[in-house]
Amino acid sequence: DAKTTQPPSMDCAEGRAANLPCNHSTISGNEYVYWYRQIHSQGPQYIIHGLKNNETNEMASLIITEDRKSSTLILPHATLRDTAVYYCIVRVNAGNNRKLIWGLGTSLAVNP
Amino acid sequence: DADVTQTPRNRITKTGKRIMLECSQTKGHDRMYWYRQDPGLGLRLIYYSFDVKDINKGEISDGYSVSRQAQAKFSLSLESAIPNQTALYFCATSDFPGTQQFFGPGTRLTVL
Repeated sequence: DAKTTQPPSMDCAEGRAANLPCNHSTISGNEYVYWYRQIHSQGPQYIIHGLKNNETNEMASLIITEDRKSSTLILPHATLRDTAVYYCIVRVNAGNNRKLIWGLGTSLAVNP
Repeated sequence: DADVTQTPRNRITKTGKRIMLECSQTKGHDRMYWYRQDPGLGLRLIYYSFDVKDINKGEISDGYSVSRQAQAKFSLSLESAIPNQTALYFCATSDFPGTQQFFGPGTRLTVL
């Protein structure tokens, strides 16, 4: 079962910041939060991941609350090409294996 | 050229037929994965392999089998296809420790 909950859809104006929330209240201390996105039915694309600290890369920023029960993905200047389904994922540890537990995602529409 | 390729990209078959989906990668990664995606849902893990001699079941392996012919090749077989295996199938790769997974373009399979 998915360990994350996200709003099913969101809208954002082109050029503005898109803030995508995610709840993961049952996350364990050593489980990472990952974000991927999927454009149409293409293969998912990695965006960013984090454990406790906020993270930033060339695509986005990830803000994780201090209690780690929720996080927010920030696309600082959304473009039309950012229209996609965004998945917030918990990477669980099972022995030597690490599994991505996918939820239902948020469908982000960036409007002109 | 794409780093992760899948063949075929689309396939329509009939109930009871044996089907093989193939995945090849040029990223030099040891770890490979097969997922399926049903409409409106996230990805579910079918099988994964950490090297040529290592095969592991995912959360929905029933009705599927895999073969890791080489580091670069990972095939998924449906021995006797049934309609509820109609889905979008993705192959993915990652290095150790699997921080980021790289996905192929997907295979759309329809079982009539």
